[in-house]
Amino acid sequence: DQQVKQNSPSLSVQEGRISILNCDYTNSMFDYFLWYKKYPAEGPTFLISISSIKDKNEDGRFTVFLNKSAKHLSLHIVPSQPGDSAVYFCAASGAGKSTFGDGTTLTVKP
Amino acid sequence: EAQVTQNPRYLITVTGKKLTVTCSQNMNHEYMSWYRQDPGLGLRQIYYSMNVEVTDKGDVPEGYKVSRKEKRNFPLILESPSPNQTSLYFCASSFRREDSPLHFGNGTRLTVT
Repeated sequence: DQQVKQNSPSLSVQEGRISILNCDYTNSMFDYFLWYKKYPAEGPTFLISISSIKDKNEDGRFTVFLNKSAKHLSLHIVPSQPGDSAVYFCAASGAGKSTFGDGTTLTVKP
Repeated sequence: EAQVTQNPRYLITVTGKKLTVTCSQNMNHEYMSWYRQDPGLGLRQIYYSMNVEVTDKGDVPEGYKVSRKEKRNFPLILESPSPNQTSLYFCASSFRREDSPLHFGNGTRLTVT
């Protein structure tokens, strides 16, 4: 039973355009959500987070949106840059659990 | 520099030969955790520790042991490794469990033949 799902294994966008990465969860007890970025041969690094009391959190080019009724969150990257090419994991925590999605590989083409 | 250090980065071993992967953090974090990453399965939690001498099973604990004798160290022990434990392993730490971002090590690529 996968409680956090990233349904798109990969995404390719042109430099300068918007990248939208999606994540769905099933456990309504999750109340804190995070996005991590992972480059090859490195560990994941924290990117941005949002608590369930908010529906949007912004940090520079990165914005996370949370739709609690749909149990859906998304990460927007605007404008996308080639250096953003990486694997992006969403994670959800709450009720004593932390769970990761499978990851989405983003490729930003120059 | 704040960091989580795992050793070794790469390890090839044979079935049944006990091994330990070390993990150390210098941020005085209370929470530490081990994950394995496998293709198509994302990051799955093996064990975690809320504080010294407190450890709990994650989602895939079978075949693994951990200990937390000191706050900074959280070694992962495979008493009798098997080929299905071939994977990429990550250690992580955070200030608290549920609402603090995790800091990850750079990973240990383990191959069991």
